[in-house]
Amino acid sequence: RKEVEQDPGPFNVPEGATVAFNCTYSNSASQSFFWYRQDCRKEPKLLMSVYSSGNEDGRFTAQLNRASQYISLLIRDSKLSDSATYLCVVPMNRDDKIIFGKGTRLHILP
Amino acid sequence: NAGVTQTPKFQVLKTGQSMTLQCAQDMNHEYMSWYRQDPGMGLRLIHYSVGAGITDQGEVPNGYNVSRSTTEDFPLRLLSAAPSQTSVYFCASSPQDNSPLHFGNGTRLTVT
Repeated sequence: RKEVEQDPGPFNVPEGATVAFNCTYSNSASQSFFWYRQDCRKEPKLLMSVYSSGNEDGRFTAQLNRASQYISLLIRDSKLSDSATYLCVVPMNRDDKIIFGKGTRLHILP
Repeated sequence: NAGVTQTPKFQVLKTGQSMTLQCAQDMNHEYMSWYRQDPGMGLRLIHYSVGAGITDQGEVPNGYNVSRSTTEDFPLRLLSAAPSQTSVYFCASSPQDNSPLHFGNGTRLTVT
C-alpha cells in the first residue's frame, strides 16, 4: 500500500448535493491527519484537522477509521465555491516526514 | 503577520544554471519543508528540517540541496538546473508537534 492514497476524481457533483471521499494511509502509528483545500495555481490551505473522535465544521465533516486506516471528508449542501482539489495529509511519525496524497478534484456543477 | 514568505514568485532558468529559492517564516516554527508539485503528481516532499542545523531528505531529493542555519530560513538550492525541475515549489512550516503546515505562495520555476 502506498503511504497515502486518494481517488483522483474528478467528482462532478450538482450544487446542493452531498459528496464524500476517502483517503487511505499505510502508517498505523500516525496520530494526526489533515484535509487541505487547494485552488488552481494556489498554495494548499488547511481545511480541517481530523482527530480520533472526528470533527465537524459547518457543512464539512471529517472522520477517522483507524481499524481500516482511512480518513473521510463529507461535504453537505455543496456550493460552487467548493470546487477545488482536496488533499489528504498524514504526518509519518516515525521519521517526521509529512506526506500528501495526490488529491481529489471536485467540480460542483450549477 | 507575514507567515511563510517565498521568493521569487516566478523564475526562468536555462539548463545548467544554478539558483536558490528563498523561504522564510516568522512564526518560530521548528519544522520546515520543501515540496514540488507537478500535474498529476500531487505534492512531493523534497527536503525537510526539524530544526536549525538539521535537514533530511524527502521523497525526491536528487538535484536539490538545503541548509538550515537559522530557525527562520530554509533555502532550496538547485546546483545545475534541468528541465525535469520545471515545477511549482512550495515551502511550508509548522510547530514540531504534528500541527498543520503553513504554506508559502509558491515559486513557479521553468527550466528551458
